[in-house]
Amino acid sequence: QVQLVESGGGVVQPGRSLRLSCAASGFSLRNHAMHWVRHAPGKGLEWVAVISYDGSDKYYGASVKGRFTISRDNSKNTLHLQMDSLTTEDTALYYCARKFCTSATCHNPFDLWGRGTLVTVSS
Amino acid sequence: QSVLTQPPSVSGAPGQRVTISCTGSNSNIGAGYDVHWYQQLPGTAPKLLIYRTANRPSGVPDRFSGSRSGTSASLAITGLQAEDEADYYCQSFDSSLSNSCVFGGGTKVIVL
Repeated sequence: QVQLVESGGGVVQPGRSLRLSCAASGFSLRNHAMHWVRHAPGKGLEWVAVISYDGSDKYYGASVKGRFTISRDNSKNTLHLQMDSLTTEDTALYYCARKFCTSATCHNPFDLWGRGTLVTVSS
Repeated sequence: QSVLTQPPSVSGAPGQRVTISCTGSNSNIGAGYDVHWYQQLPGTAPKLLIYRTANRPSGVPDRFSGSRSGTSASLAITGLQAEDEADYYCQSFDSSLSNSCVFGGGTKVIVL
C-alpha cells in the first residue's frame, strides 16, 4: 500500500528540540522531492521545508529557517525533520507530503500526504 | 496571514453550486505559477482535488472544476453533496519567498 506515516511528535517545552520522521511504504522515496507541511490550530496550512530526491537541495519557510533541518535516508525510505529552538508558534500537526518530481523547486502538486504527527510546544 | 486569500467559509444547499476564490498577487498566481486545490475531510489528511488550475486526478468527480484569471483562481463545486462538506485549500508557488510553496488560509464548505 502506498503511504506515508509520520512519527516523533509529542509535547515539548519551549526552547527544546524534537525530531520527526516520515516512513514511506509501497514506493521508493528516492524518486521524489519531499516536503513537510504543518497545520496549526485555527490556522491554514503552512509549508515548512523541502528536500530534493538526493538531499542535495533544501529550502525552508521563513518562520523555521535556521531552526529546522530537513534530511532523508533513501536507503531506509525515510524522511526527517529536526526541529530546534521550538516555540509555542510551532505547535501544529506536521504532515510529510510527496511531489511527483525530483527537484526541490518543481511546481507539481502534492500527490500523497501522511496523516500527520502532532507537535505541542508548551511549558 | 496566508499569502493566498480565501473566504473562511461558503455554504449552499444540496444540489446548488458554490465557488471558492483564491486571491494572490503578481509574485504567485499573477506570475503564472500553477495553482492546485486540496480537499481535507474532517480528521483526514489533505487530498489533491485539482492540479494545474483545472485538471482532476483520477477518481475526482467532474462536479469539481477550477479556473484562474489574473491574480486569482477559483474552485467550483456543482451539484453540492453532503459529502463535500470539508475544508478546501488552494496552493501555488511564490517567487518572492525563496522557493516557497504557499497556501491559502482554507475555506470551509458547509452543506445546509
